[in-house]
Amino acid sequence: ETGVTQTPRHLVMGMTNKKSLKCEQHLGHNAMYWYKQSAKKPLELMFVYNFKEQTENNSVPSRFSPECPNSSHLFLHLHTLQPEDSALYLCASSPGQANTEAFFGQGTRLTVV
Amino acid sequence: GENVEQHPSTLSVQEGDSAVIKCTYSDSASNYFPWYKQELGKRPQLIIDIRSNVGEKKDQRIAVTLNKTAKHFSLHITETQPEDSAVYFCAARGVDSSYKLIFGSGTRLLVRP
Repeated sequence: ETGVTQTPRHLVMGMTNKKSLKCEQHLGHNAMYWYKQSAKKPLELMFVYNFKEQTENNSVPSRFSPECPNSSHLFLHLHTLQPEDSALYLCASSPGQANTEAFFGQGTRLTVV
Repeated sequence: GENVEQHPSTLSVQEGDSAVIKCTYSDSASNYFPWYKQELGKRPQLIIDIRSNVGEKKDQRIAVTLNKTAKHFSLHITETQPEDSAVYFCAARGVDSSYKLIFGSGTRLLVRP
């Protein structure tokens, strides 16, 4: 266990559904990240939050909406997704200093049908 | 922004041989270079990292070298074992406030017994 917990582990949703992915860390980290992992683009950075403020949006479509209510929790709200959005979504956190390790959660395997 | 290229995409070696994976980065301001190992169905986990003020770092059978002038860094695994089989990712982080970690495309290493 790395101290980063993601729920749910698996999610199947229709293209008209609305769902949310949750990430939680109690490591005292200040930076949190969402990554998308698929066969085409392994470990593609989506969003970065630093001290609850979004500091990076890597040209992600608006059907993905992140939320960071506090430095321990990160959500990814999903709405009207496409089948090509099916992937493993990984959350990570780090202390928020430049030379420090990022710890990953186990990911949510998302399937859009 | 930062771009990380990783080669080869797949690598097959005989048990006991050495394996080398190479990465190049584009942002000369990057100063932190971690390597992650991802076993099948599991989260990426840090195996070794190197900072820009160091040229080489070693931890038992694993070593990483960094050439800042050429903007490339490499992972060396000696005396490979079947349990080294996994996907390996290199990454680079810059000094801006986003603390984003940009990953290479991954190398699938197979160690044949």
